[in-house]
Amino acid sequence: DGGITQSPKYLFRKEGQNVTLSCEQNLNHDAMYWYRQDPGQGLRLIYYSQIVNDFQKGDIAEGYSVSREKKESFPLTVTSAQKNPTAFYLCASSMASTYNEQFFGPGTRLTVL
Amino acid sequence: QQQVKQSPQSLIVQKGGISIINCAYENTAFDYFPWYQQFPGKGPALLIAIRPDVSEKKEGRFTISFNKSAKQFSLHIMDSQPGDSATYFCAASRPPYNFNKFYFGSGTKLNVKP
Repeated sequence: DGGITQSPKYLFRKEGQNVTLSCEQNLNHDAMYWYRQDPGQGLRLIYYSQIVNDFQKGDIAEGYSVSREKKESFPLTVTSAQKNPTAFYLCASSMASTYNEQFFGPGTRLTVL
Repeated sequence: QQQVKQSPQSLIVQKGGISIINCAYENTAFDYFPWYQQFPGKGPALLIAIRPDVSEKKEGRFTISFNKSAKQFSLHIMDSQPGDSATYFCAASRPPYNFNKFYFGSGTKLNVKP
């Protein structure tokens, strides 16, 4: 089955720790995205990547970092510099052209203790 | 500044009724308007999408109405069912066409009562 997988489903972090969220897709999509979802605020774009070894900041990139070493993988690191990291994180992918559907993974819920 | 404004924030409809969710935008460069449906604990999934060269698009019980002059578009769910209870997001995207950046509305939580 083609799709997007995210792991873990739930993640707990102590303040001051960096954590990495995994995102893998087997849809052969060029573009991948990370969104943050908070109640009442919709989806906000953190980072996106159009091609391997290239990525761009979205609207709320501060305190986050990404890498795109393989087409299939786009991991997100939530660093200790992110002041309010507790949220639901969604990874998506799409063909690298407009009018194409973004396919979303099941999400990772991160809680800072 | 939110590029796409969505209302209402929550909606309660009786089974069999019509659910209506509205979105408005300012940027006239937007030219693709998808709606996504999200169930609790899951990622959003594309429901239906429209381009501004048509005023309406229908897929089963779901219809998008688009008013280009008013810069508004809405989702109508006919014969609403309890299984439609979910959060709905509108979105918009614009050129450049080298990647597909979406601007999402804030979401509407729909509850269809049996």
